Amino acid sequence: KQEVTQIPAALSVPEGENLVLNCSFTDSAIYNLQWFRQDPGKGLTSLLLIQSSQREQTSGRLNASLDKSSGRSTLYIAASQPGDSATYLCAVTDQAGTALIFGKGTTLSVSS
Amino acid sequence: KAGVTQTPRYLIKTRGQQVTLSCSPISGHRSVSWYQQTPGQGLQFLFEYFSETQRNKGNFPGRFSGRQFSNSRSEMNVSTLELGDSALYLCASSLPVGQETQYFGPGTRLLVL
Repeated sequence: KQEVTQIPAALSVPEGENLVLNCSFTDSAIYNLQWFRQDPGKGLTSLLLIQSSQREQTSGRLNASLDKSSGRSTLYIAASQPGDSATYLCAVTDQAGTALIFGKGTTLSVSS
Repeated sequence: KAGVTQTPRYLIKTRGQQVTLSCSPISGHRSVSWYQQTPGQGLQFLFEYFSETQRNKGNFPGRFSGRQFSNSRSEMNVSTLELGDSALYLCASSLPVGQETQYFGPGTRLLVL
């Protein structure tokens, strides 16, 4: 059974700092991996999707990597801003290709 | 292009009642998935529909059911509500799931008293 773990559960950093969020999964047979952002009480916003054949994806200040063999992904946020404060969720698509399996998320707080 | 819409946004029900939630996917998306989010369990997959067929179902009791219409709109129903069903219910749509980004709606917050 696929399990997704995110470390740390919470992170506080000052504005301008570069940071890394970690995600690990137990079964390397995934279709893809997505990183989402969730603001309090809101739905999820997709940040980056990495196909199983890819190693990384970049969007603006965000860079996500995927290492299927070790069951790990990282989300790198450069030059953090207070507006980056949110919960970041990692999810892998199951073997059937029809369901996302989520980690519990990392709650990020960026102080000005 | 309009995003995923969910109605209603908030619901208060009492134990034993039933509830129906609605989701309208992004135009052109034929796959709709439902997720339950609670503080303790996080986000959990309920079911996924594609072209009116349920392709996958999560580990939830039979009180949770869903359907998809020919226009790809989807509904989920929870019968005999329990206190533990209080949660944020999120709907997501995509092109063929597995290779495409899933786009989430704002959710329906259900409170069971």
